[in-house]
Amino acid sequence: EAGVVQSPRYKIIEKKQPVAFWCNPISGHNTLYWYLQNLGQGPELLIRYENEEAVDDSQLPKDRFSAERLKGVDSTLKIQPAELGDSAVYLCASSLEGRGLAHSNNEQFFGPGTRLTVL
Amino acid sequence: AQSVSQHNHHVILSEAASLELGCNYSYGGTVNLFWYVQYPGQHLQLLLKYFSGDPLVKGIKGFEAEFIKSKFSFNLRKPSVQWSDTAEYFCAVNAAGGYQKVTFGTGTKLQVIP
Repeated sequence: EAGVVQSPRYKIIEKKQPVAFWCNPISGHNTLYWYLQNLGQGPELLIRYENEEAVDDSQLPKDRFSAERLKGVDSTLKIQPAELGDSAVYLCASSLEGRGLAHSNNEQFFGPGTRLTVL
Repeated sequence: AQSVSQHNHHVILSEAASLELGCNYSYGGTVNLFWYVQYPGQHLQLLLKYFSGDPLVKGIKGFEAEFIKSKFSFNLRKPSVQWSDTAEYFCAVNAAGGYQKVTFGTGTKLQVIP
């Protein structure tokens, strides 16, 4: 079974340019996450989707960041315009979450990430 | 909101040494706890998890972790490390009950010397 796929793996851009990242989750996983990981830090949640609905985007800087998951499968994360401080690894993860359960599985499967360098 | 502290940022051990990585969390309610591992050049993957029941959890590759509720701790242990255990280890927590955001610690880099 294929894991979470992300592209590109690496991206170098100049500041003020736009950039987009793509993620394809594990087949059948209804929940998709985008995380930001700065050097020496753990992943920090940017946005979470349940199917095509963004159910937690409280940490997404909405002035420059946007995301979509139109058909509830793959997703794109965009930054426009990029700033120097956006240099980081952008991780995508997916999981299978059940509605109405006392607790969900919560096991998230991560992709390899996209390393963004803004010059 | 919950938070996670990993006090050891970088640990260096010789092969066959015993390992214990500290993890403390702050949250007043019931929690789920996780350890993730990231081997060099690879993606994050789940090592083990605790939801309920036996507080001593066994994971893959001989790792185990013990949930001590009174200490808000979930330390990771392995009796004898191998060079292949060289990786970065992340502790994570979320509040139990339905979906709750997972909060990760800052990670501990483990270097095992042959």
